[in-house]
Amino acid sequence: AQTVTQSQPEMSVQEAETVTLSCTYDTSESNYYLFWYKQPPSRQMILVIRQEAYKQQNATENRFSVNFQKAAKSFSLKISDSQLGDTAMYFCAPRSSGGYNKLIFGAGTRLAVHP
Amino acid sequence: DTGVSQDPRHKITKRGQNVTFRCDPISEHNRLYWYRQTLGQGPEFLTYFQNEAQLEKSRLLSDRFSAERPKGSFSTLEIQRTEQGDSAMYLCASSLTVGTDTQYFGPGTRLTVL
Repeated sequence: AQTVTQSQPEMSVQEAETVTLSCTYDTSESNYYLFWYKQPPSRQMILVIRQEAYKQQNATENRFSVNFQKAAKSFSLKISDSQLGDTAMYFCAPRSSGGYNKLIFGAGTRLAVHP
Repeated sequence: DTGVSQDPRHKITKRGQNVTFRCDPISEHNRLYWYRQTLGQGPEFLTYFQNEAQLEKSRLLSDRFSAERPKGSFSTLEIQRTEQGDSAMYLCASSLTVGTDTQYFGPGTRLTVL
């Protein structure tokens, strides 16, 4: 079974600074997908960025980028130019590329962006 | 595209009562998922449908839980004889089996069992 570890329960960053959230996972599959979702306080889960494991190039989405290291099973999220609206819980979630499509979520990292 | 919607947003019930939640996926999405999220934790998978077929159920889904997606559109999740341990946020997500098959989440139904 897949497991996901987010080793930073809480992090804080100043507005406009850069922060990196870590995620490691365990899987026996060779092809899969990886996702980062954010969940603002009392609001719904929103997709931040996704990565296909067979692609070596790291995904980028505006201020969000990932550092995907397949051999190390590491999938960190970098947020550049942090904004107050980035304050949220962030969840790392791998997903099988095969018939079982469930997301396996980590425990999350609570990020606070301060002015 | 109005996104995934869930109803009700909040439900307070007494222990032993039955409750039913509804999820309307994004139009044309053929896959629908239910997750449960307790306070301070990441969501845990409960079950998923492709069209009207329920293809996977978690061991978390006890006999008191049942989910349906009768016409491959909206889905319902029923909990019978609720227990205090059922108190959680119930999240619904939908996806389309194209490309990365990304799941998009609804706002959730927060259940409180007294």
